[in-house]
Order: sequence, then structure tokens, then C-alpha cells
Amino acid sequence: GAGVSQSPRYKVAKRGQDVALRCDPISGHVSLFWYQQALGQGPEFLTYFQNEAQLDKSGLPSDRFFAERPEGSVSTLKIQRTQQEDSAVYLCASSLDGTGGHEQYFGPGTRLTVT
Amino acid sequence: TQLLEQSPQFLSIQEGENLTVYCNSSSVFSSLQWYRQEPGEGPVLLVTVVTGGEVKKLKRLTFQFGDARKDSSLHITAAQPGDTGLYLCAVLNAGNNRKLIWGLGTSLAVNP
Repeated sequence: GAGVSQSPRYKVAKRGQDVALRCDPISGHVSLFWYQQALGQGPEFLTYFQNEAQLDKSGLPSDRFFAERPEGSVSTLKIQRTQQEDSAVYLCASSLDGTGGHEQYFGPGTRLTVT
Repeated sequence: TQLLEQSPQFLSIQEGENLTVYCNSSSVFSSLQWYRQEPGEGPVLLVTVVTGGEVKKLKRLTFQFGDARKDSSLHITAAQPGDTGLYLCAVLNAGNNRKLIWGLGTSLAVNP
């Protein structure tokens, strides 16, 4: 596809369930970012990958949050034992880097609702 | 405390009106970005301003970076319903991980 895609677009989970959110970045993009956006707020950084290496996970709110990008392409954000405060839109972005520039291109997000 | 303060938080205007939204900070930045986010979509980059005092125009949108590179404004002339959305300013983290730090946004509704 031409842009960043995310799946599922909507996820409803009962409190305590585990969820996995997928991000397909633009082909060839080196960097991948995850952000969390609460309703009516700006995004907040969660974690950053350069190829398969997770270079910064300082924004992950707790050890229930885990992200991976094993082959340097698709990334998965996993949330274990979901809590109501995890309800938010989870945005993924990718950037080409190098001479291609550092502009981040965003996917449409996954809206997670924890009941 | 929020690094980037955006104002107003909400704005509802009639088609054809002009408006200005602001992004302020006490910190100095090497660059600042403006994004628009429509419901159910991710943010889309509108512009990056780099030089203090810089003015950039994108059709009916005019972006200005403050002389001291601490603040920025976005002016929309003759707003249209298609301008409706959340306008976010963001800066790159001072470190080398290139994460974006965001304001809370201005939610704009342009009524026909």
C-alpha cells in the first residue's frame, strides 16, 4: 500500500484481556514510532524502532506494554492485562530517514476501548 | 506541565471567517511542525518552520515562527468546512531519537 496501515482499526477489550495492535509501515522506511492519543489530546510518544532495534521505549507507561519489530518492517504493540486507562487511539508512524528525510507518516490509528 | 501550549483549545466559526491559532512555549526550538488531524485519521504534516521570523504560506494557511523560535501561529483566511479538524503543533525531541513532542491541539469546527 501507499501509506502506513494499522489493524484492527477498532478494538474492544474487556479489562484484563491481552491485545495486539499491528502496524505496517511504508515499505523501505527505516524508523517506526508508536504514539498514544487520548481523546481530545495530542499524541504522546511510546516507543521508537530503527529497523529491528528498539532504540527508545521510555514512553511505554508500564511493563504491561511491549512492542516488537522483529524483521525491521511490521511492528506489533502488545498490551497485557488491559486496564480502562489504556483506552486511547494508538498511532503508528514511519519515516524513511537518510537522504529521504525524517518526516513521519502516520497511519489511521487503532482505537482501543477497554470495558 | 505541557512543553507546548496551544490556544484556543476549541474554536467554532462560520465559513468565510478568518482565524488564528497559537502554539507557545518557554523553550527555544530548532524547528516546529504543524499537523492537521481529521476524525478517524492520523495527523498529516502541513509545514515545518525552521528560521526565527519565518513565514510560510500554504494556500489559505499562513504559518509564522516567532523571532525567538519559542512560539508559532497558524492563520487561516476565509475558512471553509474542509478546514475542520484538530490542529497540532509538534517539535522534535532534543535527543537523537527524533520522537515528536506534541501540544494538546486546537479543535476547529467551520460551520457552513
